[in-house]
Amino acid sequence: NAGVTQTPKFRVLKTGQSMTLLCAQDMNHEYMYWYRQDPGMGLRLIHYSVGEGTTAKGEVPDGYNVSRLKKQNFLLGLESAAPSQTSVYFCASRPITGHSNQPQHFGDGTRLSIL
Amino acid sequence: SQQGEEDPQALSIQEGENATMNCSYKTSINNLQWYRQNSGRGLVHLILIRSNEREKHSGRLRVTLDTSKKSSSLLITASRAADTASYFCAAGGGAAGNKLTFGGGTRVLVKP
Repeated sequence: NAGVTQTPKFRVLKTGQSMTLLCAQDMNHEYMYWYRQDPGMGLRLIHYSVGEGTTAKGEVPDGYNVSRLKKQNFLLGLESAAPSQTSVYFCASRPITGHSNQPQHFGDGTRLSIL
Repeated sequence: SQQGEEDPQALSIQEGENATMNCSYKTSINNLQWYRQNSGRGLVHLILIRSNEREKHSGRLRVTLDTSKKSSSLLITASRAADTASYFCAAGGGAAGNKLTFGGGTRVLVKP
């Protein structure tokens, strides 16, 4: 099993450009999450989804949009990239069973630089 | 702001020694989770302790939870060079609902 797969792994953008990060999971998990990690810091939640067709804001949602059209995919969009969005982005998923008492499974991240 | 805060921020030990790191959180929780992150990789779940548990073991890992002090500790015994990584605590459930709130992490260097 691949688990959680993020594409692309690296990307460099110019200020104002747009792009979409893709997260795919093959574990049939209900919950999916997008985080950003900045140097020397933990993860901060951007947006999350508790099921197909549903999304919710996390701690730092401004400047990002998400969509969950299919259960296995969770897309993170930057409409107009800003240098402050330079970061490493992680996607995670977890099953609904046991609600919060379940670990999250992480992808290996997308390293995004915005010039 | 992040709910979990970790101490120390960095730790350097010799192979074979024990490594202890602490985590504090601010609001109610349902569970406290610990994750490891190797350089350039995603987080890997290590251990979960529920709010009604006080101590949990998994291999060389020992986790304690004190809900009255809103704190947790992770002990890695007999450390190995392969344990070199960053370790994060994450508060789950309770006020966080379906989400996890991560601490800033402890960077552990195990010297051979």
